[in-house]
Amino acid sequence: ETGVTQTPRHLVMGMTNKKSLKCEQHLGHNAMYWYKQSAKKPLELMFVYNFKEQTENNSVPSRFSPECPNSSHLFLHLHTLQPEDSALYLCASSQDRAAYEQYFGPGTRLTVT
Amino acid sequence: DAKTTQPNSMESNEEEPVHLPCNHSTISGTDYIHWYRQLPSQGPEYVIHGLTSNVNNRMASLAIAEDRKSSTLILHRATLRDAAVYYCILRGGGAGSYQLTFGKGTKLSVIP
Repeated sequence: ETGVTQTPRHLVMGMTNKKSLKCEQHLGHNAMYWYKQSAKKPLELMFVYNFKEQTENNSVPSRFSPECPNSSHLFLHLHTLQPEDSALYLCASSQDRAAYEQYFGPGTRLTVT
Repeated sequence: DAKTTQPNSMESNEEEPVHLPCNHSTISGTDYIHWYRQLPSQGPEYVIHGLTSNVNNRMASLAIAEDRKSSTLILHRATLRDAAVYYCILRGGGAGSYQLTFGKGTKLSVIP
């Protein structure tokens, strides 16, 4: 596979469930990002990792927990979510955090019931 | 953060050129102008970026006003595949100014 892949593509979970979103990039990049795209809001940056270190947390609630075990993989662990957390979650990568081009995955469509 | 203003939507006929405008009157001297687009059911993809001079690549051209307070993304020959939401984004050029702040963008419809 090439580019940025995300699994699962669709996820439905209850408010008491725990689930994880996975992102993998095959581009040899060193920076990875999580974004949230809600129906009525522009794309919002959630977290940034550069060389496996978290460099940005844009005031994201603690019910979202990122993990970056290596430069190729990024996870978003979810627990006790709210219905308003239903959104498209997009992963992206770039050569490093200063690179001008970010490559996005197709996203995971999350529905919280 | 410096903001951008784009029309909510535009229409174009297939195989005709499309000019997508963006106003950024509060742009600073180190801000780069980036364009991304998001096709239906996909993540955004990079289109082009520039600082002061006009730029061309295989996807599009970027025309930047002399005072840098506005820019125009030009698709030379629209195809149905170009139907997408186009985002004009200002990104700082200084260290640590790497975030992409997306707005609502312009939804481009291409009419066959």
